[in-house]
Amino acid sequence: GNSVTQMEGPVTLSEEAFLTINCTYTATGYPSLFWYVQYPGEGLQLLLKATKADDKGSNKGFEATYRKETTSFHLEKGSVQVSDSAVYFCALSGAGNNRKLIWGLGTSLAVNP
Amino acid sequence: DADVTQTPRNRITKTGKRIMLECSQTKGHDRMYWYRQDPGLGLRLIYYSFDVKDINKGEISDGYSVSRQAQAKFSLSLESAIPNQTALYFCATSVGNRKMGETQYFGPGTRLLVL
Repeated sequence: GNSVTQMEGPVTLSEEAFLTINCTYTATGYPSLFWYVQYPGEGLQLLLKATKADDKGSNKGFEATYRKETTSFHLEKGSVQVSDSAVYFCALSGAGNNRKLIWGLGTSLAVNP
Repeated sequence: DADVTQTPRNRITKTGKRIMLECSQTKGHDRMYWYRQDPGLGLRLIYYSFDVKDINKGEISDGYSVSRQAQAKFSLSLESAIPNQTALYFCATSVGNRKMGETQYFGPGTRLLVL
């Protein structure tokens, strides 16, 4: 079945550091891929998505590229800020009728000033 | 106003009590979901509903029941609460299609403590 694996946290960085959070997936067909973010005390919100191979999703300075050859969707940001401290979830949605999201376990990011 | 609302936001109850968590949405989406979030376990799907007449069990439905009263309302009940149901509960709605997959929209969560 479909699955998502993302790097374990917590990740601790200094402000302006480069961020990578790895995400790999297993899926049949051509899933859509997502990154969600959960700020402290809030629900999850969509950060970015990509729906086909080689697509790049981007938002708020974050980027992720859908790599079918490596079955990956790694999240990157060139210069993190304290306000980026949150939990980040990678997810996939299969094609067809059953399109429930399959979730990674989340990666906690703490950015220190 | 928030598109997906949950009530209550926090709840403390005792073992054996029946409680209901409510979710309402103004997004007009047919699909709705209930998840629980526990530290280190990510999000786990409890129940989901693709329309008012279609309700399905998720991966951890034991001890829970749901009711889809209308397109906009989806309630989660714990018939007899137990301490290991202490968690953060999220409602979500989704929109999508066969080709593009689903994008889910989350409520703010309900923090439940069962003593």
